[in-house]
Amino acid sequence: ILNVEQSPQSLHVQEGDSTNFTCSFPSSNFYALHWYRWETAKSPEALFVMTLNGDEKKKGRISATLNTKEGYSYLYIKGSQPEDSATYLCALSNYGGATNKLIFGTGTLLAVQP
Amino acid sequence: KAGVTQTPRYLIKTRGQQVTLSCSPISGHRSVSWYQQTPGQGLQFLFEYFSETQRNKGNFPGRFSGRQFSNSRSEMNVSTLELGDSALYLCASSPGSGAETQYFGPGTRLLVL
Repeated sequence: ILNVEQSPQSLHVQEGDSTNFTCSFPSSNFYALHWYRWETAKSPEALFVMTLNGDEKKKGRISATLNTKEGYSYLYIKGSQPEDSATYLCALSNYGGATNKLIFGTGTLLAVQP
Repeated sequence: KAGVTQTPRYLIKTRGQQVTLSCSPISGHRSVSWYQQTPGQGLQFLFEYFSETQRNKGNFPGRFSGRQFSNSRSEMNVSTLELGDSALYLCASSPGSGAETQYFGPGTRLLVL
């Protein structure tokens, strides 16, 4: 059974703080790593899809890095804002592109206090 | 482009009943995947359909089934409902195959009494 683990489980920060979370996954048969943001009462929103070791992606104040050899990815948020409050999910795709099945971690719940 | 839609949004059923949930993908998307989320669990993969064929299946009992129509709309069915089937059911669509971004619907929240 493949396990995707995320830490921490939850995080409370002040507005303006920068923060980061970790996603760990088995590096064998790796194909892609996805990050999603899921706000309460909304649909999960795709942030990044990363496939190459050393990949770095950026979207506004949010960025992510990928290390496929050691099996981890970091998500960084610079200058957190209250609207960044959400659950951040990572998901592994390891079926070589033959299917869209994703194996999700349990998420990191971020709360940003104004 | 309209996003992924799911109907109904909320549903209450009793044990032993069956239920059908519907998912309409983004226009042009051929892959639809279904996920279940229960309290304390991450999103668990149920199955994926691509061009009307089931392409992959998660580790769920045979009471969970699905299908996809020629217009890519998908339904999932749960027969003989159990209390533990109470969950949020999400579907996601993507254009084709391989590590593509998947676009999620708002989900159907099912409560089994």
